[in-house]
Amino acid sequence: AQKITQTQPGMFVQEKEAVTLDCTYDTSDPSYGLFWYKQPSSGEMIFLIYQGSYDQQNATEGRYSLNFQKARKSANLVISASQLGDSAMYFCAMIPGGYNKLIFGAGTRLAVHP
Amino acid sequence: DAGVIQSPRHEVTEMGQEVTLRCKPISGHDYLFWYRQTMMRGLELLIYFNNNVPIDDSGMPEDRFSAKMPNASFSTLKIQPSEPRDSAVYFCASSPFRGPDTQYFGPGTRLTVL
Repeated sequence: AQKITQTQPGMFVQEKEAVTLDCTYDTSDPSYGLFWYKQPSSGEMIFLIYQGSYDQQNATEGRYSLNFQKARKSANLVISASQLGDSAMYFCAMIPGGYNKLIFGAGTRLAVHP
Repeated sequence: DAGVIQSPRHEVTEMGQEVTLRCKPISGHDYLFWYRQTMMRGLELLIYFNNNVPIDDSGMPEDRFSAKMPNASFSTLKIQPSEPRDSAVYFCASSPFRGPDTQYFGPGTRLTVL
C-alpha cells in the first residue's frame, strides 16, 4: 500500500530554534518522489522541497532541509532558525513511480512561539 | 510568472444548485490536477489531465462531479446537483512533467453548500 504517515499532529518551537517534522512513507516502487508543502492559515499550498528516491544527497532549500533515510523510509523536514511566519500546517507527500498522484499525510501543525 | 489561478476563491451555494469551479494552470505545464481537502479525508486527488485529456478520474466521488479541460489554459470542475457534504476546499494544481515532479497548487476555492 502507498501511504504517508505523519505522527505529530502538533508541534511547537521557540523562534530561532530548529525543528524537525517527522514523515514516514510506504511504497514498493523503487522510484518515487517525496515532497513537503506548507499550508498557512490563509489556505494556499506552498511547495517547499523535493527529494527523489535516487538522489544521493539530502535536499536543501534555504532554511529547509529534508533528512532522507531510505532504509528507514523516512523523509523528515528540518526547519532551521524558525520564524513566526513558519507557523502553519505542514504536509508530507509522495508520488510513487509511474504515477502522478500525490499521496498526502495528515499533516503537522507547527506553532512558532516568540 | 503567474502561478495557478483559481476562481472563485469562495463560493456559497444552496443544496441542489450547480457549482462550477475554474482553473488556469501555469503556462507550459502539461498536467493538471484537481484535489479536494476536507477535515475528515484530508487531501485527495479527484482527477487529473495530461495534454487536456482526462487520465485518471477514479477519485471523482460520484456522477454529480464532472471535470473538463477544453484547452491547455483552462479547466472546470462542476458539481450538479451540489450537496452539503461537498463542502470543502478544492485545489487545482499543475505540473510540467509526468511522474514524481513538483505540482504547483492554486490558492483553492472554498465551497460551502448550505
